[in-house]
Amino acid sequence: KAGVTQTPRYLIKTRGQQVTLSCSPISGHRSVSWYQQTPGQGLQFLFEYFSETQRNKGNFPGRFSGRQFSNSRSEMNVSTLELGDSALYLCASSLAAGIRSNTGELFFGEGSRLTVL
Amino acid sequence: GDSVTQMEGPVTLSEEAFLTINCTYTATGYPSLFWYVQYPGEGLQLLLKATKADDKGSNKGFEATYRKETTSFHLEKGSVQVSDSAVYFCALISPQGAQKLVFGQGTRLTINP
Repeated sequence: KAGVTQTPRYLIKTRGQQVTLSCSPISGHRSVSWYQQTPGQGLQFLFEYFSETQRNKGNFPGRFSGRQFSNSRSEMNVSTLELGDSALYLCASSLAAGIRSNTGELFFGEGSRLTVL
Repeated sequence: GDSVTQMEGPVTLSEEAFLTINCTYTATGYPSLFWYVQYPGEGLQLLLKATKADDKGSNKGFEATYRKETTSFHLEKGSVQVSDSAVYFCALISPQGAQKLVFGQGTRLTINP
């Protein structure tokens, strides 16, 4: 059973550009969450999607957006990149909508490492 | 808001040593508690969990007990191996508010042979 797949694994952008990251969840998983991991702030929740609807959103500016497609694949977009957006972006999938409604286990991908110069 | 505090790392131990990584939390109500592990170059994996007070989660020789009175969920292992070298994250999900995992800062563990 294939795991969570994130693309690209590594990318370098310059300030002001935008970036789109992709996540393919485990087959059958309908919930996709995104987290940002940085040395200073640790792991922070960005948003969660279920059945193409954003169910939860973290405390990030509007430059961070996402969407989910009918096949449960998800993308997140960051516009007008800033140096502080350099991070590892992790996608996680789970069976149900909302962590509390399942075992609480998220299955994480290996992440997309974004460097903003 | 909800928060998780882990002991500062990095932690370096010799093989077969006893491990404790402290974790305390602040949350409204009774959160579910988790330990996730991140091996080098990999994503996070759920190590163990506990969903109510006095529950003990266990997996791969690791254990943690949900202590409501001390708001703690310390991770322990009696005899660590080199393969346990990784970053360990304590996390919670609150029964109220947004359904998201709130993570601690992570503790990097290195086991020397």
